[in-house]
Amino acid sequence: DQQVKQNSPSLSVQEGRISILNCDYTNSMFDYFLWYKKYPAEGPTFLISISSIKDKNEDGRFTVFLNKSAKHLSLHIVPSQPGDSAVYFCAASDRNFVFGPGTRLSVLP
Amino acid sequence: EAGVAQSPRYKIIEKRQSVAFWCNPISGHATLYWYQQILGQGPKLLIQFQNNGVVDDSQLPKDRFSAERLKGVDSTLKIQPAKLEDSAVYLCASSVTGVGNEKLFFGSGTQLSVL
Repeated sequence: DQQVKQNSPSLSVQEGRISILNCDYTNSMFDYFLWYKKYPAEGPTFLISISSIKDKNEDGRFTVFLNKSAKHLSLHIVPSQPGDSAVYFCAASDRNFVFGPGTRLSVLP
Repeated sequence: EAGVAQSPRYKIIEKRQSVAFWCNPISGHATLYWYQQILGQGPKLLIQFQNNGVVDDSQLPKDRFSAERLKGVDSTLKIQPAKLEDSAVYLCASSVTGVGNEKLFFGSGTQLSVL
């Protein structure tokens, strides 16, 4: 039973446009959410996080939105750049971290 | 600051052989994690250490996997004997305290292929 789901295995976006990556979770005890980015042959690197007491957190081109009632969060990247092409993992935590299966983002020049 | 160090980067073994992975976390980080990432899936926690004690090993297949962090710094993860389904990337991560809302810092991982 997947507690954290990323239903889009892949996403292609034109450079300069907005990328929206989605994540759904089932465990209402999760209180901290993170997004990680992973390039091939590298470990995941932290991108942005949000606590359950907030509904939005912004860091430069990256914004994470949390909708607790829907158990849904999303990552917005504006504007998208070719260097953003990577696999993005959503993770949720109450005591332990649970990761989604990832979404492969391709930003086309 | 230096990141999480892992070795080797790649390992190819035959089934029923044994293999060991090494991890050195970021200096001063009390909590160390081992994750298994199978192709197409997200990382799955195998074991979590707080200093040199085990916090969570509920998903570690203890009949074949073992891990230790004897001095509360670096750690080794061993598989003996390996099965085909153990082919995966093994990621080590660390965090400062392991308590509260903290991010994990990952190493580059060891890609294991079991033939």
